[in-house]
Amino acid sequence: DAMVIQNPRYQVTQFGKPVTLSCSQTLNHNVMYWYQQKSSQAPKLLFHYYDKDFNNEADTPDNFQSRRPNTSFCFLDIRSPGLGDAAMYLCATSRTGTGYTEAFFGQGTRLTVV
Amino acid sequence: AQTVTQSQPEMSVQEAETVTLSCTYDTSESDYYLFWYKQPPSRQMILVIRQEAYKQQNATENRFSVNFQKAAKSFSLKISDSQLGDAAMYFCAYKSGGGADGLTFGKGTHLIIQP
Repeated sequence: DAMVIQNPRYQVTQFGKPVTLSCSQTLNHNVMYWYQQKSSQAPKLLFHYYDKDFNNEADTPDNFQSRRPNTSFCFLDIRSPGLGDAAMYLCATSRTGTGYTEAFFGQGTRLTVV
Repeated sequence: AQTVTQSQPEMSVQEAETVTLSCTYDTSESDYYLFWYKQPPSRQMILVIRQEAYKQQNATENRFSVNFQKAAKSFSLKISDSQLGDAAMYFCAYKSGGGADGLTFGKGTHLIIQP
């Protein structure tokens, strides 16, 4: 029944070593989002894809990039992780165009930087 | 830019009692959505309830209901007959219109259910 799946659930990476987080969906939603949630804070939108169109939030660091090779998959690439990038990363999807569906979230990937 | 404020970092309620979580928001837009999401520990965020700004009637979902005061920009969540499974972080969220914009979240309220 899993609809938005994030892998891995837990990721440990070394300071400065590139890391990729993945998200897949079975909902056929046209929008996919990446949020960063630091401990005891609200999730913060990093960017989203509307179909193939990439939309970056103004304050998202250049260190973060994303790819969406097809409707089902979206990746978050962190080029040079710093200690401040340790957080939970949430993927979400929604559908828009003929009405709006609410966002469905994955279980998140908790990133640790050592 | 829109902002969402949750002024209660933590709330506690006895099982079977009713609790209300507060949320205010600031926007100049007329077309928007408001949501309450629940995030249990180490589990995914799930939608509790949604409200379209153009709808005057308050949304309800079983034991969950909202008090949407558009002029006051207030959107509180009432949980009736609280259950142990309701224990979680609750986030109030705002979304502009029906497009692809993401959610703006409040800082969350940690709800504790006392048995």
